[in-house]
Amino acid sequence: GENVEQHPSTLSVQEGDSAVIKCTYSDSASNYFPWYKQELGKGPQLIIDIRSNVGEKKDQRIAVTLNKTAKHFSLHITETQPEDSAVYFCAASKPNTGNQFYFGTGTSLTVIP
Amino acid sequence: EAGVAQSPRYKIIEKRQSVAFWCNPISGHATLYWYQQILGQGPKLLIQFQNNGVVDDSQLPKDRFSAERLKGVDSTLKIQPAKLEDSAVYLCASSLERSVGYFGPGTRLTVT
Repeated sequence: GENVEQHPSTLSVQEGDSAVIKCTYSDSASNYFPWYKQELGKGPQLIIDIRSNVGEKKDQRIAVTLNKTAKHFSLHITETQPEDSAVYFCAASKPNTGNQFYFGTGTSLTVIP
Repeated sequence: EAGVAQSPRYKIIEKRQSVAFWCNPISGHATLYWYQQILGQGPKLLIQFQNNGVVDDSQLPKDRFSAERLKGVDSTLKIQPAKLEDSAVYLCASSLERSVGYFGPGTRLTVT
């Protein structure tokens, strides 16, 4: 199978600062890495994803980087806002598995106004 | 585009009782997943369907859990009998082939 580890488990930042969440994966066959945001009482919502043929992807204040050699990928949120407060999950998926996702354990992000 | 629908949103049962959850995926999504999310953990895949066939159910506790997807659309997940450790949020997700997964709001199950 695949083992995804995620750090840190909790993160507090001041509004306007940056937040970084890191994940590692074990199976070099994994080639798709989505990030999900989960707010209280809701299901996870995709915020950004990256495929293994790309090293970095950006969408406004959110960016994801991927290092295939080291088997780790990171989520970067710049200019954080209180509404960014949520639990963030990384995941990894292998080809030919119908997008079967293996999730990290989650990071609870708190943005302090 | 309507999202993934799940019902009920909350359920409280006593141990050894039975419970069923329902999921309606996004229209046209052939792949449907059921995940179990225990408090403080990431979602764990229970079963994956492609149309109405099972792709992977290796982590489904088959002695008490069952799932079906009739006509390749809606799906139900059943637990019989429930145990205390089944208390969790049960998430349904769907996806097109080789695309991202979209999650429903989940059903929060409490077993007392």
